[in-house]
Amino acid sequence: DAKTTQPPSMDCAEGRAANLPCNHSTISGNEYVYWYRQIHSQGPQYIIHGLKNNETNEMASLIITEDRKSSTLILPHATLRDTAVYYCIVRPNTNAGKSTFGDGTTLTVKP
Amino acid sequence: KAGVTQTPRYLIKTRGQQVTLSCSPISGHRSVSWYQQTPGQGLQFLFEYFSETQRNKGNFPGRFSGRQFSNSRSEMNVSTLELGDSALYLCASSLTMGANYGYTFGSGTRLTVV
Repeated sequence: DAKTTQPPSMDCAEGRAANLPCNHSTISGNEYVYWYRQIHSQGPQYIIHGLKNNETNEMASLIITEDRKSSTLILPHATLRDTAVYYCIVRPNTNAGKSTFGDGTTLTVKP
Repeated sequence: KAGVTQTPRYLIKTRGQQVTLSCSPISGHRSVSWYQQTPGQGLQFLFEYFSETQRNKGNFPGRFSGRQFSNSRSEMNVSTLELGDSALYLCASSLTMGANYGYTFGSGTRLTVV
């Protein structure tokens, strides 16, 4: 399974955009990029996913590079409640449940 | 609609005992996956069930087992508990097994082995 690399921590000012990078250089053509976040050891919360096109929903935007080897999750206007651990994972189209979670990025939004 | 429900939320067991955890997926979801989360190892995949059949398995000893019922509800069992089994056990459900379907996680069961 493709592995992901994320910075261990990032800070962001409240109200500013938070840009969280992820490297997945060994991603295969049929693998999706997913982002989840986890707050205070609750279950991870789904944010967004994509295959090769950029995606946007009410929570965030996902920018995937043309070669698909990296992606960026954008929280357009970070709030204090966005402080969490953010996981970028690569999910194969078969065996999709067998996803590998890395260590994630701890995002701290500061007032 | 109701989310993924895991019971119990908290559990304390003694080393050597066995434990059964339950997961009720979102209505209509047929795929259920289980994960173990510990401070040292992070989130690790245990197994995935679809249509009452185990489809994938992670690298855990045979003491960890699971099953899925015809209504898609799932249980996982850990026998001969060890101190290292103390963890947050998370269940996630999805409509089906394809990667284009997001997985929704429950709040987890916090197991403490003493």
